[in-house]
Amino acid sequence: EAGVAQSPRYKIIEKRQSVAFWCNPISGHATLYWYQQILGQGPKLLIQFQNNGVVDDSQLPKDRFSAERLKGVDSTLKIQPAKLEDSAVYLCASSPDGGGYGYTFGSGTRLTVV
Amino acid sequence: DQQVKQNSPSLSVQEGRISILNCDYTNSMFDYFLWYKKYPAEGPTFLISISSIKDKNEDGRFTVFLNKSAKHLSLHIVPSQPGDSAVYFCAALDTGTASKLTFGTGTRLQVTL
Repeated sequence: EAGVAQSPRYKIIEKRQSVAFWCNPISGHATLYWYQQILGQGPKLLIQFQNNGVVDDSQLPKDRFSAERLKGVDSTLKIQPAKLEDSAVYLCASSPDGGGYGYTFGSGTRLTVV
Repeated sequence: DQQVKQNSPSLSVQEGRISILNCDYTNSMFDYFLWYKKYPAEGPTFLISISSIKDKNEDGRFTVFLNKSAKHLSLHIVPSQPGDSAVYFCAALDTGTASKLTFGTGTRLQVTL
């Protein structure tokens, strides 16, 4: 089975610019997660989708971050405008049924804001 | 509020010896715990898990112990191998309310020759 695909792998932008990340989950996985991992910290959930509906976005900074999951498959996460503190690895994960089991993570996108 | 804590940022162990990684949690609603392993430039990969109804789960060289009264779990790797060198994350889940994982800050394990 193919894994969770993410792109790009690396991105460097200047502060106040915008950036978008893309995730293609494992086929058939209903639940998709975006996590932010700042250096030296554990991954922190930004948003969770069940099919194409949002289940939890309580820790998403909605003034600058947005995410969508069209047709319940692929997802994009956007930051506009970016701040220096957004420098992190953005991890996408998917699971079959949202029960918290069977998480599979992608390789992540490393974002550097300068 | 750090609900899952890994107080040792790094650990160095000789090849062949036992590695013990520790994790503490504060939320008594957590009832399922997982360990993930992360190599540089890769996403975390699932290693082993344990339900709160158990106090031990074993899978090959990896064993996880859970002490519910102390809200503490540990991962034992025996024998340690150089390929085990990675960052290990402890994660916890409240299966009754949400499917999001709460992660610790990670422990970097270095297995030396």
